[in-house]
Amino acid sequence: GAVVSQHPSWVICKSGTSVKIECRSLDFQATTMFWYRQFPKQSLMLMATSNEGSKATYEQGVEKDKFLINHASLTLSTLTVTSAHPEDSSFYICSETNYGYTFGSGTRLTVV
Amino acid sequence: AQKVTQAQTEISVVEKEDVTLDCVYETRDTTYYLFWYKQPPSGELVFLIRRNSFDEQNEISGRYSWNFQKSTSSFNFTITASQVVDSAVYFCALSEASFNYGQNFVFGPGTRLSVLP
Repeated sequence: GAVVSQHPSWVICKSGTSVKIECRSLDFQATTMFWYRQFPKQSLMLMATSNEGSKATYEQGVEKDKFLINHASLTLSTLTVTSAHPEDSSFYICSETNYGYTFGSGTRLTVV
Repeated sequence: AQKVTQAQTEISVVEKEDVTLDCVYETRDTTYYLFWYKQPPSGELVFLIRRNSFDEQNEISGRYSWNFQKSTSSFNFTITASQVVDSAVYFCALSEASFNYGQNFVFGPGTRLSVLP
């Protein structure tokens, strides 16, 4: 199966700063990747679909200017949380679509 | 619209007991995929099983077994002789089929399983 590497595993940042999360496909080319968000004790909710070489598709209610997604190559998709605030503290996780069932290890973001 | 329901929010069992986690789904598609994932406290999602809508055979993998019944739109998961290491949140998920599985998942709310020693 596919291998997806996600970094960092956890990050603590100050309110107002930006944080970048990377998701790499190690053994395949990913034209599409999904980004999910999980608040404490809740389920995973799709935030956006990352498309290589084109704009990301955002789910309703997700601010595209706040959650910047870049998929400039077939092996790397990045999610940048801009001007982070405490309410953005969450677990962010990406998934590949080639095989339909592999997720990155997730990034726990804490904004203080 | 797709929807996944896991009616059990939390379950506690004593080690060696059997436990069944329920999953009921809704979809208008005739072709779809169902998944179970385990999420331990560390947070990563551990893939357990994928089942397509045309394969209703029950599956057993060690202490794990799955019962897929299209007639009731259910895909239940049973752990036999539970162990403390089974303690985690378990998610059932649904994905509509596409040529290359390029569809996102709809997750259920999850069931938190605690196995007590």
